[in-house]
Amino acid sequence: EVQLLESGGGLVQPGGSLRLSCAASGFTFSTYAMNWVRQAPGKGLEWVSTISASGSSTFYADSVKGRFIISRDTSMNTLYLQMHSLRAEDTATYYCAKAGTLNWFSCFDSWGQGTLVTVSS
Amino acid sequence: EIVLTQSPDFQSVTPKEKVTITCRASQSIGSSLHWYQQKPHQSPRLLIKYASQSFSGVPSRFSGSGSGTDFTLTINSLEAEDAATYYCHQSSSLPITFGQGTRLEIK
Repeated sequence: EVQLLESGGGLVQPGGSLRLSCAASGFTFSTYAMNWVRQAPGKGLEWVSTISASGSSTFYADSVKGRFIISRDTSMNTLYLQMHSLRAEDTATYYCAKAGTLNWFSCFDSWGQGTLVTVSS
Repeated sequence: EIVLTQSPDFQSVTPKEKVTITCRASQSIGSSLHWYQQKPHQSPRLLIKYASQSFSGVPSRFSGSGSGTDFTLTINSLEAEDAATYYCHQSSSLPITFGQGTRLEIK
């Protein structure tokens, strides 16, 4: 059974940094692209970032480009999202999601439970 | 950016009713359109991938159709547990985008 477990969320001041982690199990982590998707309170889903299976290619939404960095550690079966220069509008629940096929861009067939990031002074 | 527009935004329906939710893309995306269900305080769950392929474990009352710019999620014989928000999502081109969501309320 695929399991994705996010951690690292919390309260951070505007301009601060935070690193999210997503521990993966139940599948061959190195085979699939991985994604971060966020959801502001009471709002819809917003794609944040994708990393290829090898980790050599990364992609970002314009809203986070230059501030967030996605990475993965295959030895630890863990996905990361390093967030810098955080803004109030980054406040959201952040989900990690597994690609549903071997393509970089695909459906998201498994989701974690999410971790809440609150940016506020 | 490909904009996905869902309709309706909200629908109140009775059990056993048939429900249709549409998703229109601002440009052609082939069949790279996926549907998710999100219940309150839960993570999204994949229902339909690539427009019409049912995902493993999803009840057969959920089906999808369409290609190009117009897509449909159909729920046959609605059940009380189907109360949720439904999202479409396109993986055809960057940036990846989602529809705004359709909330289904069960009367």
